[in-house]
Amino acid sequence: DAKTTQPPSMDCAEGRAANLPCNHSTISGNEYVYWYRQIHSQGPQYIIHGLKNNETNEMASLIITEDRKSSTLILPHATLRDTAVYYCIVSLTGGAQKLVFGQGTRLTINP
Amino acid sequence: EAGVAQSPRYKIIEKRQSVAFWCNPISGHATLYWYQQILGQGPKLLIQFQNNGVVDDSQLPKDRFSAERLKGVDSTLKIQPAKLEDSAVYLCASSRVASGGPLTDTQYFGPGTRLTVL
Repeated sequence: DAKTTQPPSMDCAEGRAANLPCNHSTISGNEYVYWYRQIHSQGPQYIIHGLKNNETNEMASLIITEDRKSSTLILPHATLRDTAVYYCIVSLTGGAQKLVFGQGTRLTINP
Repeated sequence: EAGVAQSPRYKIIEKRQSVAFWCNPISGHATLYWYQQILGQGPKLLIQFQNNGVVDDSQLPKDRFSAERLKGVDSTLKIQPAKLEDSAVYLCASSRVASGGPLTDTQYFGPGTRLTVL
């Protein structure tokens, strides 16, 4: 079973920041938080991951709370192309360990 | 670099027939995964290979599903015989790092094969 809880759906206006929450209250010390997204009719796409520090890359920012029990994925300037299902996954590593996907959050960016 | 390739993209069969899917991972990637994604759900791992050996097949319905990764490169997933509940998208993914490696890594997914069983 997935170790994370996400809202089933969210809406965001184009050009605004999209903030996607994730609860992972049972995360252990050596588990990472990964975010993937899946655009309609495509395979999942890696976005970002982190252990305890906040992370930023060209796609998004990841904010992890100090107790590591929750995190937020931030898309700073959402575009219509960001409409997708976003999955928050807890995993020991992304490559060597299987990814256990939950239901994810269906994010809709509105013009 | 070329991504993960899968074929066919779509397949329609009748129940009790057989079907096979093919995956070509990113060159040099040690680990290959097959996932099943039923409509409205997240992907579920069926089998994980490291090079040409099986690492995890605990969720593979072995009475009807089989998979192989010859020479540690391409892989095929077969269903024989198919059931209605096998209708799903079958996703192949690969990652550079082998099991037990110290580095974090990411999985790269192909576009998937959409199977419809009638």
